[in-house]
Amino acid sequence: QQQVKQSPQSLIVQKGGISIINCAYENTAFDYFPWYQQFPGKGPALLIAIRPDVSEKKEGRFTISFNKSAKQFSLHIMDSQPGDSATYFCAALMDSSYKLIFGSGTRLLVRP
Amino acid sequence: DGGITQSPKYLFRKEGQNVTLSCEQNLNHDAMYWYRQDPGQGLRLIYYSQIVNDFQKGDIAEGYSVSREKKESFPLTVTSAQKNPTAFYLCASSPQGAGEVEQYFGPGTRLTVT
Repeated sequence: QQQVKQSPQSLIVQKGGISIINCAYENTAFDYFPWYQQFPGKGPALLIAIRPDVSEKKEGRFTISFNKSAKQFSLHIMDSQPGDSATYFCAALMDSSYKLIFGSGTRLLVRP
Repeated sequence: DGGITQSPKYLFRKEGQNVTLSCEQNLNHDAMYWYRQDPGQGLRLIYYSQIVNDFQKGDIAEGYSVSREKKESFPLTVTSAQKNPTAFYLCASSPQGAGEVEQYFGPGTRLTVT
């Protein structure tokens, strides 16, 4: 119930294409869903986050889509660029616990 | 220049030795966390602290110890009891106000034990 399942494990996209990464959760008590971007040898950086009271949040080329009934959320990267090549992690948290539960990560490669 | 600093970036130790990883933050965050990351895997929580002089075990606390004597500092000791200590260690912090749950990560320390 505490797991967050992330797919795909790796993704190759051409420059200018759309990258889509999916996550699913079981625990309906989760109420905060962030996405992190991590470059090799660096710490993860918070990219964008969403609460369950909205179905979509957009920041620049990055969009989170949230489906509360299906208990799924996804990250869409529009107009993908080679500089977006990194590992992306979804996560989930209950405000009351302050413990982030991470997905296993998706390694994105954007080909020029 | 606000942020989270971890030192050193790379650390090498012989098996059987304890080693302490440093984590300092000047963000005035109340909560601090330690995660372990293994190749191709997500982050796993080792310990967390929501307030000075208090901390709780995470999912993989065995073989690790922490202290929280100051708000800014949350050092992690990897003891000789940790069976597989080679990993990338990440420290994070977060505010604890209502609705404020974002966690911010440091640059990490890569520990290699041989």
